[in-house]
Amino acid sequence: AQSVTQLGSHVSVSEGALVLLRCNYSSSVPPYLFWYVQYPNQGLQLLLKYTTGATLVKGINGFEAEFKKSETSFHLTKPSAHMSDAAEYFCAVSVRERANNLFFGTGTRLTVIP
Amino acid sequence: SAVISQKPSRDICQRGTSLTIQCQVDSQVTMMFWYRQQPGQSLTLIATANQGSEATYESGFVIDKFPISRPNLTFSTLTVSNMSPEDSSIYLCSGGTGTGGTEAFFGQGTRLTVV
Repeated sequence: AQSVTQLGSHVSVSEGALVLLRCNYSSSVPPYLFWYVQYPNQGLQLLLKYTTGATLVKGINGFEAEFKKSETSFHLTKPSAHMSDAAEYFCAVSVRERANNLFFGTGTRLTVIP
Repeated sequence: SAVISQKPSRDICQRGTSLTIQCQVDSQVTMMFWYRQQPGQSLTLIATANQGSEATYESGFVIDKFPISRPNLTFSTLTVSNMSPEDSSIYLCSGGTGTGGTEAFFGQGTRLTVV
């Protein structure tokens, strides 16, 4: 079975500061890992994903995440927060046997303080 | 990538009634799913919509409450039946190619309020 834990339901950062959103996963088979962003009243948009290969993954809007198998983590970072980054962020996991079937974490609401 | 459109985007319904949500994809996708996002919570998978056959429901969800149709590769409907205030949620449709490691694409969601 697969599951995702996101530490911190709310994170606040100052504009220009580092963004770090934490995600740990559990999977009995090699996982595929995703970060999605949800802006108010909108659906989910893919930020980035890890499948195989390079463990540092770069996504849209300056975000990146590193897959660390030893720590079962896939934390999302951005060097400098922008006001437009304020949104809900979801980490998700899937496996090859259930392609596109995502198990989501509880989400982290990011607030950016001017 | 695929673009997924949902209708309606929001609705307010009386308890005891039913609402059908439509999901249209602009290209053929192998997999289609329906999720529920309750207020302040994450997304929970309701079911996998299978083309031309009965949907596959996750634990805690049943066909009588959430009948799903998928007549072709680009269209699916979810009905929320005999609604109660506890059904107030955002319902999201997603689709994908069915290849491991590929992302799922999401519609903008249907915000349902049951009064």
